Amino acid sequence: GEDVEQSLFLSVREGDSSVINCTYTDSSSTYLYWYKQEPGAGLQLLTYIFSNMDMKQDQRLTVLLNKKDKHLSLRIADTQTGDSAIYFCAESTRSGYSTLTFGKGTMLLVSP
Amino acid sequence: DGGITQSPKYLFRKEGQNVTLSCEQNLNHDAMYWYRQDPGQGLRLIYYSQIVNDFQKGDIAEGYSVSREKKESFPLTVTSAQKNPTAFYLCASRSGTSINTGELFFGEGSRLTVL
Repeated sequence: GEDVEQSLFLSVREGDSSVINCTYTDSSSTYLYWYKQEPGAGLQLLTYIFSNMDMKQDQRLTVLLNKKDKHLSLRIADTQTGDSAIYFCAESTRSGYSTLTFGKGTMLLVSP
Repeated sequence: DGGITQSPKYLFRKEGQNVTLSCEQNLNHDAMYWYRQDPGQGLRLIYYSQIVNDFQKGDIAEGYSVSREKKESFPLTVTSAQKNPTAFYLCASRSGTSINTGELFFGEGSRLTVL
């Protein structure tokens, strides 16, 4: 079945780069997503990548996709304390676009 | 402004009581979803609805019920049959125009605590 795995915690210093990793199992995934959740709030879409792309860059965010290894990463350049949050990786399911499968989330803590 | 509104934000319930969580969207989205979030568990899908008057069970539907009588509204009832109802509940929606990307828009969540 479909499964999405992430490491649970990452700690970095302000100004460093952060790299959050994700692996997935569904080879038919069409889109992969990164969402951000701040404490006590809902999820906001940060970025997404289509499965026929290797990389996508959007300002401080860089997404890398290795489809062969089913590995997705999110790099945040010049990490700020405001980036502290939980980051979720998600994939579109085999059944189409009706649902997304989410990882358990990576808590990013940025220290000054 | 357009968005998804969940209410109440915090809710306390005694054991044995049913409780209904509200989710309203004014984005004109066709599909709506309910997820449950527990610490360290990520998001688990409870129910979803792709059109009015139709809905499907997700991965953890037992002890929950929903209705979709209007496009804008997708309330979730947590029944007394749900064994561990204390959690953070998230409602989401998706428009037909974003179908190719599958982007979900989320509400701010409702935290239910059973005393």
